Amino acid sequence: EVQLVQSGAEVKKPGESLKISCKGSGYSFTSYWIGWVRQMPGKGLEWMGIIYPGGSETRYSPSFQGQVTISADKSITTAYLQWSSLKASDTAMYYCARQGSSGFFDFWGRGALVTVSS
Amino acid sequence: EIVLTQSPATLSLSPGERATLSCRASQSVNSYLAWYQQKPGQAPRLLIYDAFNRATGIPARFSGSGSGTDFTLTITSLEPEDFAVYYCQQRSNWPHTFGGGTKVEIK
Repeated sequence: EVQLVQSGAEVKKPGESLKISCKGSGYSFTSYWIGWVRQMPGKGLEWMGIIYPGGSETRYSPSFQGQVTISADKSITTAYLQWSSLKASDTAMYYCARQGSSGFFDFWGRGALVTVSS
Repeated sequence: EIVLTQSPATLSLSPGERATLSCRASQSVNSYLAWYQQKPGQAPRLLIYDAFNRATGIPARFSGSGSGTDFTLTITSLEPEDFAVYYCQQRSNWPHTFGGGTKVEIK
């Protein structure tokens, strides 16, 4: 069974750093892209970026380029999304998702709620 | 970046009625368009990919059509569990953008 298990909710202060994780299991982790999607409170889905764990190729949306870093550790089948300096506007639910053979996100994590507040 | 515009923003219908949702792309995405359903407190779920292919386990009342810049998601007879928000997404060009969503609510 394909599963993407995300790390838990985080409460951080502006300026702090953060790294959230997404552990894949039940499939060949290095054969599928893993993407990250932001959903701000009460808003729609935003495609942030994606990584191919098999080769570490990464693509970012221009809206998020330079604001976050996407990485993966294939030895522990885990993808990451990190910030070096959080802002209040980073408050959102963050989903990881597997890009399946269709080219779209066929399996999703449950999401990680990140709250940034002073 | 390809912009996807979904309409209407909200669709108010009764169970058993037909729902027709639209997604328009700012440039051609060929048939590389998907539809997702999201219920409150849940992650999105893939319904349709490449414009008209149903994802695994998706009921036949969901169908997709279109190509190029204009796409439609049709739900032939709304079930109570279909009231949710629906998003389209394209994979023709990076970034693989999402539309703004259509909320299907109970009338």
